[in-house]
Amino acid sequence: QKEVEQNSGPLSVPEGAIASLNCTYSDRGSQSFFWYRQYSGKSPELIMFIYSNGDKEDGRFTAQLNKASQYVSLLIRDSQPSDSATYLCAVNIMGGSYIPTFGRGTSLIVHP
Amino acid sequence: GAVVSQHPSWVICKSGTSVKIECRSLDFQATTMFWYRQFPKQSLMLMATSNEGSKATYEQGVEKDKFLINHASLTLSTLTVTSAHPEDSSFYICSARDRGRSPGLGEQYFGPGTRLTVT
Repeated sequence: QKEVEQNSGPLSVPEGAIASLNCTYSDRGSQSFFWYRQYSGKSPELIMFIYSNGDKEDGRFTAQLNKASQYVSLLIRDSQPSDSATYLCAVNIMGGSYIPTFGRGTSLIVHP
Repeated sequence: GAVVSQHPSWVICKSGTSVKIECRSLDFQATTMFWYRQFPKQSLMLMATSNEGSKATYEQGVEKDKFLINHASLTLSTLTVTSAHPEDSSFYICSARDRGRSPGLGEQYFGPGTRLTVT
């Protein structure tokens, strides 16, 4: 059973702080990892993807991947109230039909 | 780039009628499209995977005769909810995978979703 685990939250951080969102996965064959943001009542929006161990930065967002420990994280620097949303982690594995497995999402609240 | 559209954005229908939802990739070719359903405050639930030119693969528990999927071209997939009932009321979201990328690495791009209400 391929599983992707996320803490449902909510994670509450003050404006300007760093928000840290974590995701663990069970399948060691996982190859690509994605973070999506979903506002209430809207569909998910791709924020970042990462394939290699280490960090990948894009603006205020940094994705971190550690395949040995089977976790991927998303850091949001200088958090803004507009970042308040549910963040979904998704994992693709090699082989099979490459259907991504989604976590249940972490709710982030950035308060002024 | 990587825009996916869905139509309609919302629909209200009477119990027993059928509803068709269209999903289009506007600026890329999508070999694979996915259909999800999401109930309020719940996570995404994958319903089926649609590959262009072949039959859709349905997830366990999803009735293929009730949720008809047609992936007619590299840019269009449709989901028809047949004989809809109030319990089918949900947020239906499609996503498309970019054909230009390796399938194991290709990210999905989501449509804006269709909110279905069955009365």
